[in-house]
Amino acid sequence: AQKVTQAQTEISVVEKEDVTLDCVYETRDTTYYLFWYKQPPSGELVFLIRRNSFDEQNEISGRYSWNFQKSTSSFNFTITASQVVDSAVYFCALSEVSQGAQKLVFGQGTRLTINP
Amino acid sequence: SQTIHQWPATLVQPVGSPLSLECTVEGTSNPNLYWYRQAAGRGLQLLFYSVGIGQISSEVPQNLSASRPQDRQFILSSKKLLLSDSGFYLCAWSWSGPYEQYFGPGTRLTVT
Repeated sequence: AQKVTQAQTEISVVEKEDVTLDCVYETRDTTYYLFWYKQPPSGELVFLIRRNSFDEQNEISGRYSWNFQKSTSSFNFTITASQVVDSAVYFCALSEVSQGAQKLVFGQGTRLTINP
Repeated sequence: SQTIHQWPATLVQPVGSPLSLECTVEGTSNPNLYWYRQAAGRGLQLLFYSVGIGQISSEVPQNLSASRPQDRQFILSSKKLLLSDSGFYLCAWSWSGPYEQYFGPGTRLTVT
């Protein structure tokens, strides 16, 4: 069965620090997709990135970057020069295709607090 | 562009009462639709998903049911609510295939 582990339950840093959120996954599929979502205090989940299992290139989007390593089954997320607006719960997710639908298996989330 | 709506935003219901939560998607056709529940512990639990009208797959046996009466409408129901049904309910949609899911604003349900 698919599984996603986010070992860091809560992280608290001071603004402008860099912070890395860890994500480790388990799957027997050879083709799969990984995702990161952000859940601000309002509650709505915001999609950040999708990565397929054949593309191990790191991705950078502004202050956000993602490091995908199949050898260690990890898909870590780094925020550079963190800001208070980055405070949220962040979820890593793994795809699982079933009956024509792609289901997402979520980790338990990491609550990130950026202090001014 | 696509948008997803959920209502109501918040709901307080007594134990044993019925429930109906509605989700609608605009700007796309034949989306895959999903219902999730997020309890106080933060994790998201997939409850139901649908790949087409009238097609519902259940993930977890429970006190809830889902229906898809129209292409872009997804309804979550219960005949009799339990205290354990309290939580944050999120609806999501995706295109068919290995694509990301987009979530609605959620409904916060408190069963008293």
